[in-house]
Amino acid sequence: DAGITQSPRHKVTETGTPVTLRCHQTENHRYMYWYRQDPGHGLRLIHYSYGVKDTDKGEVSDGYSVSRSKTEDFLLTLESATSSQTSVYFCAISGAYGKYEQYFGPGTRLTVT
Amino acid sequence: GNSVTQMEGPVTLSEEAFLTINCTYTATGYPSLFWYVQYPGEGLQLLLKATKADDKGSNKGFEATYRKETTSFHLEKGSVQVSDSAVYFCALSDRDTGNQFYFGTGTSLTVIP
Repeated sequence: DAGITQSPRHKVTETGTPVTLRCHQTENHRYMYWYRQDPGHGLRLIHYSYGVKDTDKGEVSDGYSVSRSKTEDFLLTLESATSSQTSVYFCAISGAYGKYEQYFGPGTRLTVT
Repeated sequence: GNSVTQMEGPVTLSEEAFLTINCTYTATGYPSLFWYVQYPGEGLQLLLKATKADDKGSNKGFEATYRKETTSFHLEKGSVQVSDSAVYFCALSDRDTGNQFYFGTGTSLTVIP
């Protein structure tokens, strides 16, 4: 299994509070991604990173920001959580030379009350 | 643009039945194609992949062939088991945009004894 961990695994927070989710990899892969998974929508890309301090928006980036100060860590921040951001969040990595598949972390279940 | 359309679920089959889950795609370049499987409470796991037209990916009795002429990548298995019960996602990757993935909405499979 690819070395990807996510923390926390579960979180309950109140509307309006900031929340940061962490993704940590031990594979030294170049690309990292944050997705959210909701019933009926599959996985939707929030943001991705193609290197340290290099990030770009995905399909559903509004209300989210990211940072990548080290190759191994990719942080997702909800500046002011809303109930619509209740979801399961997955981190993924890719980038081994000649391989394009993504490997996923175990997910973080976030509930915004 | 890029997109993936896969068969609506849920699908319920008896053990040892034949499985087909349809997947078609739209792509602007030359994508790689993937099937992922998600078991309850877990992240997505790569099931199989194909990187160019006419390639056949296979793993654990599942297989899928990259058909450029029909823009399809249907997942098949000759004899399903109860342990195959999961959600299956078809995806394509676009190497020209940071290896972004585009996922289908997922097909839930339940295999009954």
